[in-house]
Amino acid sequence: TQTVSQSDAHVTVFEGDSVELRCNYSYGGSIYLSWYIQHHGHGLQFLLKYYSGNPVVQGVNGFEAEFSKSDSSFHLRKASVHWSDSAVYFCAVRESSGSWQLIFGSGTQLTVMP
Amino acid sequence: EAAVTQSPRNKVAVTGGKVTLSCNQTNNHNNMYWYRQDTGHGLRLIHYSYGAGSTEKGDIPDGYKASRPSQENFSLILELATPSQTSVYFCASGDLTGFQDTQYFGPGTRLLVL
Repeated sequence: TQTVSQSDAHVTVFEGDSVELRCNYSYGGSIYLSWYIQHHGHGLQFLLKYYSGNPVVQGVNGFEAEFSKSDSSFHLRKASVHWSDSAVYFCAVRESSGSWQLIFGSGTQLTVMP
Repeated sequence: EAAVTQSPRNKVAVTGGKVTLSCNQTNNHNNMYWYRQDTGHGLRLIHYSYGAGSTEKGDIPDGYKASRPSQENFSLILELATPSQTSVYFCASGDLTGFQDTQYFGPGTRLLVL
C-alpha cells in the first residue's frame, strides 16, 4: 500500500521569497506523482505531474517539482512567490501498475505575506 | 477547459434524512469520483465510476451510495444522513490514459447534518 506524507501542515513566507513544500511517499514500484492546489472555497486544481524521464517537472505559474527515488520525495518549489500563491497544496501518488486510485497527502497550507 | 459542476453548493440536512449530491461534467471523461474533505484527513475517496452504469467502492463507502446514470452525471446518496457525514464533498472527473489520470474537481458541496 502506498502512502504520501506532507510533513509541514503550514508554511509562511513573504512575497518574493522562494518556497519548498515537501512530499514523501512510500512505495517501491513505479509510481505516478502529482501536485494539486486548492484556493480557499474552491476545488482542487492540477499543478503538475511526474511519471518518468526528467526528474524536474515544470508546472503552471512558475511551480516545479523534483522527483527523487533515493529520497522517496517529490518536493514542490517556486523561486519567487506571489500573494496569490496562498493556498493549500496537495501531493498525490498513484501506482502505475495496478490501482488507478490517487492517494492524497493531508495538504500544506502556504501563506504568503505581503 | 474542464468543467465539473456540483449541486447544491450548500446543504443542511437532518439526521436520518436522505441527501443527494449531484455532479455534472462536460469533459466527456470516463472516470468520476466522489471525495470528502475533513480537516486533518485530506481527501478521502468514497465512490468512483468507470462509466455510465458503473459504480465502485472507494476507501470509505459505508453510509454512501452512488449512481452513474450517464457519462455526464454522478450522484452521491446518503440514505440516512448522520452528523458524522458533515463535511465538504468534492466530485472530480478524469480520463485514465496510459499511466496518467489528471483529475478535474468541482467547487465542492458543504453539507451540514444536524
